Amino acid sequence: EAQVTQNPRYLITVTGKKLTVTCSQNMNHEYMSWYRQDPGLGLRQIYYSMNVEVTDKGDVPEGYKVSRKEKRNFPLILESPSPNQTSLYFCASSLSRPKDTQYFGPGTRLTVL
Amino acid sequence: AQSVTQPDIHITVSEGASLELRCNYSYGATPYLFWYVQSPGQGLQLLLKYFSGDTLVQGIKGFEAEFKRSQSSFNLRKPSVHWSDAAEYFCAVGEGGADGLTFGKGTHLIIQP
Repeated sequence: EAQVTQNPRYLITVTGKKLTVTCSQNMNHEYMSWYRQDPGLGLRQIYYSMNVEVTDKGDVPEGYKVSRKEKRNFPLILESPSPNQTSLYFCASSLSRPKDTQYFGPGTRLTVL
Repeated sequence: AQSVTQPDIHITVSEGASLELRCNYSYGATPYLFWYVQSPGQGLQLLLKYFSGDTLVQGIKGFEAEFKRSQSSFNLRKPSVHWSDAAEYFCAVGEGGADGLTFGKGTHLIIQP
């Protein structure tokens, strides 16, 4: 089944404790992206990747890192999480461009205390 | 910069009634336009998209949307809603480049029995 998977689905952590949210897709998509969703703000893009070893900042990249060492994986790294990063995070992938149909993962709900 | 406005935060519709969700965008050229649906606890799913050509676009689950350049609008419609249509609906715009989509803040659809 074609899908985007994220792990973990739920995470509660404390300020400053490094964490990684994994994202994997099995559709051989070149384009992958991370969004955060906050009440009243909709979805905002954090980082995106056009292909392996090619990443770039989205609209809200501060406090986040990403890497794209393999085509299928695009982990989101929070080196020193803060409470304002409490949010619902979505990974998405598409064939080659954002205008292609994007497939979204189920989301990761992160709480930073 | 492109932007998307969904004027209605919440909409309540009776089951079987027609539905129209509004979306207005700000963009210089002809944008790529999308409607996504997010069911409770789920990721986003593409309902339909417009790139060019026929301004009336058919999507999944009986939805359609009409692109009106003169009004900078891309409203979503359904002739008869079902209880399972209760969800959050997002309009999004893209310009075809590497940057991700710009999402509206969403409209929460409530279906009354």
